[in-house]
Amino acid sequence: GAVVSQHPSRVICKSGTSVKIECRSLDFQATTMFWYRQFPKKSLMLMATSNEGSKATYEQGVEKDKFLINHASLTLSTLTVTSAHPEDSSFYICSARRQGNTGELFFGEGSRLTVL
Amino acid sequence: DAKTTQPTSMDCAEGRAANLPCNHSTISGNEYVYWYRQIHSQGPQYIIHGLKNNETNEMASLIITEDRKSSTLILPHATLRDTAVYYCIVRGSTSGTYKYIFGTGTRLKVLA
Repeated sequence: GAVVSQHPSRVICKSGTSVKIECRSLDFQATTMFWYRQFPKKSLMLMATSNEGSKATYEQGVEKDKFLINHASLTLSTLTVTSAHPEDSSFYICSARRQGNTGELFFGEGSRLTVL
Repeated sequence: DAKTTQPTSMDCAEGRAANLPCNHSTISGNEYVYWYRQIHSQGPQYIIHGLKNNETNEMASLIITEDRKSSTLILPHATLRDTAVYYCIVRGSTSGTYKYIFGTGTRLKVLA
């Protein structure tokens, strides 16, 4: 199956710093990537839809300036958590949709962010 | 909001079939039903999807009712490694962009 790679898998940072998470589709081109956030024992919450070459579309309640998303190429999208605070600690998961009418969604392994 | 409802949890004996139901009564004619599962602290894994017809692959079978208001994922011979949270998703479209909204999922526990 298709592979989506996410890096880093774990990151610990100090409050006030910024953290960048990368999401790459390794063997297919993805015009659309999605970023999710997941709290312990909860479901995935869609944060934003990332379209290659254009601005990301954010879900209601998600701060654009807080969670910067860049989709510079057909195989790479990045999520930057700016000025991170402890409440930003979470499991962040990216996904990429394979092109095509029924393009199924493939997920990265997730990045666990801990803000001290 | 998610367009699906699923039971919170289910148990299944190892080696038996696991039947996971999903209600999607507001599904539109061009919306697909997708199933994913998530094993603890990993990214979700694609299982299967369908539109109208029943589907089968190496992992599972998907049975969609004729009115498309509900579906059932069948794992024919559940193993301990199938213990996971299973999500049923109706893929909607907003302004041409497909969105995958996760509901609460079903926590399947396969028992030895």
